[in-house]
Amino acid sequence: EAGVAQSPRYKIIEKRQSVAFWCNPISGHATLYWYQQILGQGPKLLIQFQNNGVVDDSQLPKDRFSAERLKGVDSTLKIQPAKLEDSAVYLCASSPEQGIGTEAFFGQGTRLTVV
Amino acid sequence: SQKIEQNSEALNIQEGKTATLTCNYTNYSPAYLQWYRQDPGRGPVFLLLIRENEKEKRKERLKVTFDTTLKQSLFHITASQPADSATYLCALEELSFGAGTTVTVRA
Repeated sequence: EAGVAQSPRYKIIEKRQSVAFWCNPISGHATLYWYQQILGQGPKLLIQFQNNGVVDDSQLPKDRFSAERLKGVDSTLKIQPAKLEDSAVYLCASSPEQGIGTEAFFGQGTRLTVV
Repeated sequence: SQKIEQNSEALNIQEGKTATLTCNYTNYSPAYLQWYRQDPGRGPVFLLLIRENEKEKRKERLKVTFDTTLKQSLFHITASQPADSATYLCALEELSFGAGTTVTVRA
């Protein structure tokens, strides 16, 4: 079974530029999560999708971050414009269902450096 | 909002000993709590899930307890091995992760 795929693996941009990350979850997984993990901290949930609908985006900085999951499969997370404090690893995870206690499968993440 | 804290940032133990990690939380009553392992440069990997009506869960050399009155979970690695060296994360459902405890097992 293929795992969660993320790209790119690394990205360096200047502040005020825009950037997009892509995630392909495990086939058949209904729930998709995006997390931000700053060095030395645990992952912080940014947004959760159930199929192609948003379940929770309460911690997504909506003035600069946006995410979509078209057709309930792949997802993209965009930052525009980026700030220095956005430097972090962006993790995508998927699980078969939401809220019933199934494990989440994580991708390797995209390491973003904003200079 | 919910808050989750894990004990000391680092834990150094001798091979063969038991590592005990603590996870405390406030302002939330999770239906379940999860533990993950994270190696440098990798995404977290699921280890164990324990539900609010369960007191203890075991998987091979791992054991998790869950005390909803104390709002605390303990994670034990018995007969530790150098390969167990990693950062271990506690999570309230999928919503909130602790900062993790880095375990180093000395041969």
